Amino acid sequence: DQQVKQNSPSLSVQEGRISILNCDYTNSMFDYFLWYKKYPAEGPTFLISISSIKDKNEDGRFTVFLNKSAKHLSLHIVPSQPGDSAVYFCAAKGGTGGFKTIFGAGTRLFVKA
Amino acid sequence: KAGVTQTPRYLIKTRGQQVTLSCSPISGHRSVSWYQQTPGQGLQFLFEYFSETQRNKGNFPGRFSGRQFSNSRSEMNVSTLELGDSALYLCASSKEPGQGAPDTQYFGPGTRLTVL
Repeated sequence: DQQVKQNSPSLSVQEGRISILNCDYTNSMFDYFLWYKKYPAEGPTFLISISSIKDKNEDGRFTVFLNKSAKHLSLHIVPSQPGDSAVYFCAAKGGTGGFKTIFGAGTRLFVKA
Repeated sequence: KAGVTQTPRYLIKTRGQQVTLSCSPISGHRSVSWYQQTPGQGLQFLFEYFSETQRNKGNFPGRFSGRQFSNSRSEMNVSTLELGDSALYLCASSKEPGQGAPDTQYFGPGTRLTVL
């Protein structure tokens, strides 16, 4: 039962353009949503989060949008840089999952110079 | 301060053997979670420990177990290894077990386990 889904395994974007990574979830009780970035041979690192009571959170080039009615969130990276090339994991926590963090399968982003 | 450390970084075992992986959290962090990462499956939650107590458990068979020590260091054990257990095992630490605003989890580099 995948409660957090990232349906695009990969995404390729030109440097300077916008990258949009999407995530869908099924559990309406999730309290928080997070995005992590992972480079090869390293553990994931926290990028940005959003509370379920908000619909947008921005941090520099990274903005996360939450659409609760559609159970959908997205991460926007503007402008995209080659160093952003990594695997991005969407995650959610709260509700019946308690303190567990549920991760999606990840989307590999390629930013071409 | 030092990050989350995991040992060993790489491990090769054969089917039927058992393995123990170790995780040292960031100093002051009391919550340790373990995840299994396989291609296409993302990070699958194994279990979470806080103050030496398992607070949450994922949907893994009983062959997967863990524990946490008084200094917050944690170990996970997999017995009777199967080929499908080959994966990257990640440990993450945080200060508190996720109360309120998401307490950021800091991940270690992982242990790459290969079962032959």
